[in-house]
Amino acid sequence: AQSVTQLGSHVSVSEGALVLLRCNYSSSVPPYLFWYVQYPNQGLQLLLKYTTGATLVKGINGFEAEFKKSETSFHLTKPSAHMSDAAEYFCAVSDAGYSTLTFGKGTMLLVSP
Amino acid sequence: ETGVTQSPTHLIKTRGQQVTLRCSSQSGHNTVSWYQQALGQGPQFIFQYYREEENGRGNFPPRFSGLQFPNYSSELNVNALELDDSALYLCASSQRLPGDLEQYFGPGTRLTVT
Repeated sequence: AQSVTQLGSHVSVSEGALVLLRCNYSSSVPPYLFWYVQYPNQGLQLLLKYTTGATLVKGINGFEAEFKKSETSFHLTKPSAHMSDAAEYFCAVSDAGYSTLTFGKGTMLLVSP
Repeated sequence: ETGVTQSPTHLIKTRGQQVTLRCSSQSGHNTVSWYQQALGQGPQFIFQYYREEENGRGNFPPRFSGLQFPNYSSELNVNALELDDSALYLCASSQRLPGDLEQYFGPGTRLTVT
């Protein structure tokens, strides 16, 4: 069985500061890893994904994440936070099969001016 | 290219009633997955349909059922509604191609059970 743990239900940063959202996963097979963002009253939008190959993955809106197998982690970072980044972020894992995602509980990112 | 659409946007039902939620998949996608997102939680997988057949199910009781139609649109039916069924229901479509695991989510249907 797969599982995802997101450390911190809420993360607060100032505008311009580094964003770091943590995600650890458990999987018995090589995982496919995803970060999604959810704005209020909206569905999920894919930020980035890791399948195979390069372990540093770049996504939309300046976000990136690094797959570290030894640490079973896939933390999301952004060098400089913007007010528009305020949203809920979900880390998800999938196996090598087709598409079923297991999500973490989410981290709400709060950005203050 | 039309994205994933869901209807209705919001719905209020009474405990014990039945509800049907609808999803139109993105053009060219043959797989639809349904997720339940309770307040303050991450989405939980309900089931997936591929070419009109159920292709995987999460830990949900049989009163959660679904259909996929020849045009790959889908319905989620919930019978005997309970208060805990109150949630955002998300539909996601995908192409089911080798190595292509990206799912495209709709805006969701907010179900409130009173």
